[in-house]
Amino acid sequence: GENVEQHPSTLSVQEGDSAVIKCTYSDSASNYFPWYKQELGKRPQLIIDIRSNVGEKKDQRIAVTLNKTAKHFSLHITETQPEDSAVYFCAASWIQGAQKLVFGQGTRLTINP
Amino acid sequence: KAGVTQTPRYLIKTRGQQVTLSCSPISGHRSVSWYQQTPGQGLQFLFEYFSETQRNKGNFPGRFSGRQFSNSRSEMNVSTLELGDSALYLCASSSLATNEKLFFGSGTQLSVL
Repeated sequence: GENVEQHPSTLSVQEGDSAVIKCTYSDSASNYFPWYKQELGKRPQLIIDIRSNVGEKKDQRIAVTLNKTAKHFSLHITETQPEDSAVYFCAASWIQGAQKLVFGQGTRLTINP
Repeated sequence: KAGVTQTPRYLIKTRGQQVTLSCSPISGHRSVSWYQQTPGQGLQFLFEYFSETQRNKGNFPGRFSGRQFSNSRSEMNVSTLELGDSALYLCASSSLATNEKLFFGSGTQLSVL
């Protein structure tokens, strides 16, 4: 079955700097890759997703890149702000079964003022 | 639109008991998925229901079961509770209209003593 590895497990950056979180997946059939942000005590919230027919997608300060050949995808957050502090999860699935997501272990991102 | 609603928010049970958790999806969403979140195992897929039928299933024992009603509301049942069942149980809904993106509820925090 699918396996998703996420690194790093913790990340601390200065406010205004960029943060990068990386994930690799094992199943070449996976073609849908969402990223979720979970603040302490709150629900996971979808922040951006990418499908395998696209190499990069951007939404304001957040971008995701996908390398299908290497089977890895990354989340990039620029100009980080204190409210970006949270746990971020990557996930993989195939679009027809997008409800069955396989998640990475999560990255705890801390933005230092 | 109201988001995904889960009840109860917190639950304390003892080993051997059984528990039922409830989930009301976003209006118009016909797919409901359940996930278990623990510090050690992360987010793991339990099962997904669509039009009252189980469409996908994860690798959990038969003690974990679910069902979906004609109004798309879903319930999850865990029988013969074990200490290791202590977790945050998250429900998510999706629809074709939103390209099958998963929207999560706030979860039910289950503690088994």
